[in-house]
Amino acid sequence: EPEVTQTPSHQVTQMGQEVILRCVPISNHLYFYWYRQILGQKVEFLVSFYNNEISEKSEIFDDQFSVERPDGSNFTLKIRSTKLEDSAMYFCASSTIPGLVAPQETQYFGPGTRLLVL
Amino acid sequence: AQKITQTQPGMFVQEKEAVTLDCTYDTSDPSYGLFWYKQPSSGEMIFLIYQGSYDQQNATEGRYSLNFQKARKSANLVISASQLGDSAMYFCAMREGPAAGNKLTFGGGTRVLVKP
Repeated sequence: EPEVTQTPSHQVTQMGQEVILRCVPISNHLYFYWYRQILGQKVEFLVSFYNNEISEKSEIFDDQFSVERPDGSNFTLKIRSTKLEDSAMYFCASSTIPGLVAPQETQYFGPGTRLLVL
Repeated sequence: AQKITQTQPGMFVQEKEAVTLDCTYDTSDPSYGLFWYKQPSSGEMIFLIYQGSYDQQNATEGRYSLNFQKARKSANLVISASQLGDSAMYFCAMREGPAAGNKLTFGGGTRVLVKP
């Protein structure tokens, strides 16, 4: 069964360093997302991406964050200068047709990257 | 106001019994989707079941069923015949219409512990 994959599974970095989190969405999906979950808290939307551009972003997704689809398979989230409060689990998700009000709109999540900023 | 409310922070359930996890939502959009995800201790988010706002029947997927009461804006998850592997956090989520960007909004989750 196709699945979303993410690398690395864990990342430890120093405050102020840049990190790149990588995701390979399900191959026939066209819409991609990043969410984050701070330990013990809700899952929060960061950004959605379609047709090589950002569809929507949340208030969390400030200038420190960027996303890219560098090739036909990878989808990346870059944090330019990490802060302590960026420590969280970051989930990539993908879907075929969002907003369809049908099962095809389901977003499938990857296993997550646990980021720790020291 | 919270978009998605899960009022049960934690629940115990006896193995082989059924458990109902509550979820209420708030939207004025007629077109929305409701989802339940399972998050085991390993951390991944596993999709369980989907209910569209126009669906006339409650969704079912194996041992999971969704009790969709549109007028009450509730979408409770029922897990039948609980197994030890069902111990996890369960999140209810909603996708509102295109004007809201098709992002998922999550509730705070319910932790389920299945007792042998």
